Amino acid sequence: QKEVEQNSGPLSVPEGAIASLNCTYSDRGSQSFFWYRQYSGKSPELIMFIYSNGDKEDGRFTAQLNKASQYVSLLIRDSQPSDSATYLCASEGGTSYGKLTFGQGTILTVHP
Amino acid sequence: KAGVTQTPRYLIKTRGQQVTLSCSPISGHRSVSWYQQTPGQGLQFLFEYFSETQRNKGNFPGRFSGRQFSNSRSEMNVSTLELGDSALYLCASTKSGRRGTGELFFGEGSRLTVL
Repeated sequence: QKEVEQNSGPLSVPEGAIASLNCTYSDRGSQSFFWYRQYSGKSPELIMFIYSNGDKEDGRFTAQLNKASQYVSLLIRDSQPSDSATYLCASEGGTSYGKLTFGQGTILTVHP
Repeated sequence: KAGVTQTPRYLIKTRGQQVTLSCSPISGHRSVSWYQQTPGQGLQFLFEYFSETQRNKGNFPGRFSGRQFSNSRSEMNVSTLELGDSALYLCASTKSGRRGTGELFFGEGSRLTVL
């Protein structure tokens, strides 16, 4: 079992819709969670992080964390074609310096 | 502010050779991590350095090694290259690398092809 699993996708949504990306993790010691976006041929860039249970909103993005269910999600509202990318969920354990455990990524396509 | 710089961007090697990749972190960032990205395995952690000390290491064979210099620049080395080492090697830096601060800034990567 992979430590961080993402819904396999690919996910295709129309422009203006809500895209929902999901991630589960197996290490209960994980304390911090991150969503990175990676455009094709580019390096990952951080878009959201969350440490506490509940929701965290930043513009069109909302990250949700449920530690009891070991579940993290990312909602993208009013999706735009420029949001088309691979989204990587990552966890960081409490004792791991600099080590993030990444999921396989979900490819999101937003079509006009 | 300059980003994370990795050199070389592309390289081709043959099996059995060795390779050294270089990474210059963002100015002021003292923690440097290295990741391997492949289509099959995704992003996998190699190691992390802070103040010239390796603080964490992933599950890779001893052929993979790294170091960090006093100016925070880092290098990683892969010896006795195998076909399976073909990958994108990403370097990432962060200010302190304190636990719970996974805001990594990635370089563009070094694309290694082993023939």
